[in-house]
Amino acid sequence: KNQVEQSPQSLIILEGKNCTLQCNYTVSPFSNLRWYKQDTGRGPVSLTIMTFSENTKSNGRYTATLDADTKQSSLHITASQLSDSASYICVVTPPSRGYQKVTFGIGTKLQVIP
Amino acid sequence: EAGVAQSPRYKIIEKRQSVAFWCNPISGHATLYWYQQILGQGPKLLIQFQNNGVVDDSQLPKDRFSAERLKGVDSTLKIQPAKLEDSAVYLCASSPRGGTSGLTGELFFGEGSRLTVL
Repeated sequence: KNQVEQSPQSLIILEGKNCTLQCNYTVSPFSNLRWYKQDTGRGPVSLTIMTFSENTKSNGRYTATLDADTKQSSLHITASQLSDSASYICVVTPPSRGYQKVTFGIGTKLQVIP
Repeated sequence: EAGVAQSPRYKIIEKRQSVAFWCNPISGHATLYWYQQILGQGPKLLIQFQNNGVVDDSQLPKDRFSAERLKGVDSTLKIQPAKLEDSAVYLCASSPRGGTSGLTGELFFGEGSRLTVL
């Protein structure tokens, strides 16, 4: 069982609409939880980072939330644009003083249509 | 600051042939990762280097895959012989410290090398 599960697997929304992507994790506690955006044919790029004690972090139209009790994180996209079409990957890093194994979700593929 | 450089961007080979990918991390980044990303899936770690030492290669198919980072800077990933199931994007990433701990630890990814095995 994957330690980081994302839903939905794919999502289609109209331009201008809002959407929320979910990430459920079992890695707890963790050092940080990141959301990455991966455009088709490109490498992932970090959008937000939250530590275990934080519960929200914004980056422009992207807002990530974290509920440590339910072990859930959400990425909310406001006023979607065509350029938001991409895969969004949730990544959790467990705490360790030395080597740390980063755990990736499989991502949610978002398509924004005009 | 220059990003993570990878080459080639695309490679098409026949099964049983060999292929090599090259990665130059961001200057000063101690940790280098190779990930395999199959279409529709998240990245899967193949190998992680800390400077020029291997930290984790538990998911590297060692019968056909090899990787090295001889001088603790750039790295090569080789597949020999390739199989159809090796078709994927091979992502190289680097981070500034030993792992991705703390607020600033982050994986910086290259654009990837897309491999198609026919």
